[in-house]
Amino acid sequence: QAGLTQPPSVSKALRQTATLTCTGNSNNVVDGGVAWLQQHQGHPPKLLSYRNNNRPSGISERFSASRSGNTASLTITGLQPEDEADYYCSAWDSSLSAWVFGGGTKLTVL
Amino acid sequence: QVQLQQSGPGLVKPSQTLSLTCVISGDSVSNNRAAWNWVRQSPSRGLEWLGRTYYRSKWYNDYAVSVKSRIIFNPDTSKNQFSLQLNSVTPADTAVYYCASGAGTMDVWGKGTTVTVSS
Repeated sequence: QAGLTQPPSVSKALRQTATLTCTGNSNNVVDGGVAWLQQHQGHPPKLLSYRNNNRPSGISERFSASRSGNTASLTITGLQPEDEADYYCSAWDSSLSAWVFGGGTKLTVL
Repeated sequence: QVQLQQSGPGLVKPSQTLSLTCVISGDSVSNNRAAWNWVRQSPSRGLEWLGRTYYRSKWYNDYAVSVKSRIIFNPDTSKNQFSLQLNSVTPADTAVYYCASGAGTMDVWGKGTTVTVSS
């Protein structure tokens, strides 16, 4: 069962902007900072950002993350066909002493 | 560049023990800033963190509550690897298992091992 809440699906047109959300609580999203992962079918997850808006090297600037209160967001600008994937948020939950994940959002690029 | 190479059987019988190994290249399992995690993924449970092992002058293990009574992690400094043992498996443990590592996050992932629990 997911510890963080994500919408199951989002659809956006090519070259448009998609914003994906992730809702948690003060023990995870606020305390721990959120990481975002991208997963294409048949592949392991890939880290896109961590601690709210730090991008690993090699990750496009088209991916940016933010947080407001208990909700974190991932914004993807200039949508490309290769952005079609499942996106997961995760955070360290200080009350559980565990990493928790969202259920994932399937992004469709039309 | 850190890489994680997973190995282990893809089929385990119910009530038996699931054992997987993750070999590390480009880093040391004794790195006192990194943590070495196991995560599994199934259609019914999504991504589920199973636990982590890490070294901070001594070894620590954190386990998810859902598997805490059945799971053991074994870091092996001589082989630079860490392993997962999950006892008394049931069909509900069928999933893709990943090892993942990072300092304060999980930025390197293994390719995943599909494990089916079936007789």
